[in-house]
Amino acid sequence: GQNIDQPTEMTATEGAIVQINCTYQTSGFNGLFWYQQHAGEAPTFLSYNVLDGLEEKGRFSSFLSRSKGYSYLLLKELQMKDSASYLCAAHGSSNTGKLIFGQGTTLQVKP
Amino acid sequence: GAGVSQSPSNKVTEKGKDVELRCDPISGHTALYWYRQSLGQGLEFLIYFQGNSAPDKSGLPSDRFSAERTGGSVSTLTIQRTQQEDSAVYLCASSPGAAYNEQFFGPGTRLTVL
Repeated sequence: GQNIDQPTEMTATEGAIVQINCTYQTSGFNGLFWYQQHAGEAPTFLSYNVLDGLEEKGRFSSFLSRSKGYSYLLLKELQMKDSASYLCAAHGSSNTGKLIFGQGTTLQVKP
Repeated sequence: GAGVSQSPSNKVTEKGKDVELRCDPISGHTALYWYRQSLGQGLEFLIYFQGNSAPDKSGLPSDRFSAERTGGSVSTLTIQRTQQEDSAVYLCASSPGAAYNEQFFGPGTRLTVL
């Protein structure tokens, strides 16, 4: 079957670093996406990993290990506006653009 | 430029009625997706259109759900004989083409079935 697992909720302090983990099991794998979704809003793209390793983009970085079926999103210098849900999504088959999403991790940043 | 738009933004209907949800993708985007998001849940894939290829309908939950895309642009998701479990936010997204591209999401249609 196909399954994406990520923690339901996390809490962190403003200015700190937080790592949101995601494990996946898919029939075929072509890449891993992270999206950010503020309450009541549409998801917005954060990152895409297809090769193993760390991709850094400002305060946000994303890591992928294909052999372990594992990814994480790293948020540095947390700001209050980072409070949101973070969605991990795997692209399985190359024959379709279908993404399999995890349930999302709700991150609360506290002062 | 204009992003993905969806209409209506909110729809309240009675159980058993049919509803149509509309999506206008970003101009020039060949790929279009429909997802469903229930309260507090992740996104559930429904259907994917890419150019003139046959759509991937593998996520449609039942034969009450159907979607079409006319002229490679606007898409309509139709739910027949709505049930209370159909209540959710229906999100549309588009991308320039290849599946590895970023998807741009619309604001969604919140469907409530009474």
